[in-house]
Parts: sequence; structure tokens; C-alpha cells
Amino acid sequence: ETGVTQSPTHLIKTRGQQVTLRCSSQSGHNTVSWYQQALGQGPQFIFQYYREEENGRGNFPPRFSGLQFPNYSSELNVNALELDDSALYLCASSLGGGTYEQYFGPGTRLTVT
Amino acid sequence: AQSVTQLDSQVPVFEEAPVELRCNYSSSVSVYLFWYVQYPNQGLQLLLKYLSGSTLVKGINGFEAEFNKSQTSFHLRKPSVHISDTAEYFCAVSESGFGNEKLTFGTGTRLTIIP
Repeated sequence: ETGVTQSPTHLIKTRGQQVTLRCSSQSGHNTVSWYQQALGQGPQFIFQYYREEENGRGNFPPRFSGLQFPNYSSELNVNALELDDSALYLCASSLGGGTYEQYFGPGTRLTVT
Repeated sequence: AQSVTQLDSQVPVFEEAPVELRCNYSSSVSVYLFWYVQYPNQGLQLLLKYLSGSTLVKGINGFEAEFNKSQTSFHLRKPSVHISDTAEYFCAVSESGFGNEKLTFGTGTRLTIIP
């Protein structure tokens, strides 16, 4: 069974640019959540997708957007990058339906200069 | 809204000694509680969770936690730690009931095992 995978592993972007991060969920999981983990902090919830529909959003501006595809893989897009967007971006997949067991990928480390 | 407070940012412990990592939460609704571990340069791994039932929850790697509703706490314990337990530990809460499984995390406790 393949776990949650994320790509790329590391990324360096310039302020003002746009970035797309990708996540492949664990087999059979229909729910994907994205979290931002700044250095020395706990992860913060960005949003969640359930069967291709957004199912909850945290306190992040609209320039953070996402997609979930029919195979339940997902993308996180960030427009107009700011220096404070530098962080580890974590994707987590789950079966949904109240199982409350999220499986995290290794993350994408984004550095904005 | 929920919030989580992890009272200790760093905890050094000698190998084979017991450890307790403290977690308190605040919420206006019923919550589910979780502990996750993060090893260097890795994602988070679920150690244990409390959804209902017995307030003493056993998890992987010999860890356990006790839910105390009156004190709004969910402290993590291990009777004897090993070098391999060196990692960052995060306590998290989620609003109970069916819905989005958004996790609200604390700021983490770095557990360092001293040989």
C-alpha cells in the first residue's frame, strides 16, 4: 500500500511568483487536507477537500486555492507569494466519514526569497 | 473555535526514564484529541487518538494518554523512553461529530533523550 506522497520535496520561489504543490493520497482515501507548518510552529489548517469539493477552510487568504481530482490526488496553489509563505506544506489524506485518522505526507519545503 | 496549549517547548529526559508531555485544550464544543509525532525531515505520524470510551488511550511505540475533561487536558506519557523517541510531539484537537476533520495543533514539544 502506497502512502501519501508529495512533490516537489523542496522549492525556492521569488516574492510575487505563483507555486503549485502536489499530493497523491493513500489508496482508497477520498479526503485530502492541506496544512502550513512555519518553522518552530505547529501545522495550521489551510483547507480540506472531500470528493472534489472544498469541505472547510482555515484562516488563509483567497490567494491560497486548491483542487482535488477524480483520483483524489490534490493540488495547492499559492499566488502572489510573500516572504511569510515560506514554510513546510503538509498534505494529509483520510477515509473521511468520521474516521478521524489522517495520514500525512513528508511535506514540501517552500522558501520564498 | 478550539485552541491547544503545549506547556513545554522542550523536554530533556534520560534514556529509560519516564516522560510526560503536557497538553491542555480550550473549546466551546465537544472535541476529539490526538497526539502526533514528527521525526526530523518527515511528516506527522499518528501516535494515538481519543474519540470516545475509556479515557486512557494506548497508542503505538508504548505511548499512552489520558483524557481529563474537567481539567481539559490530554497528557502523553511513556514509562521508559528510548533514544529513538527523540522527535517533536504535537497535540491536536478536532471538533467532534461528522464534518470536516480539521485539526488544530499546539506549537509542539521537542523531546530529547539523553543517553
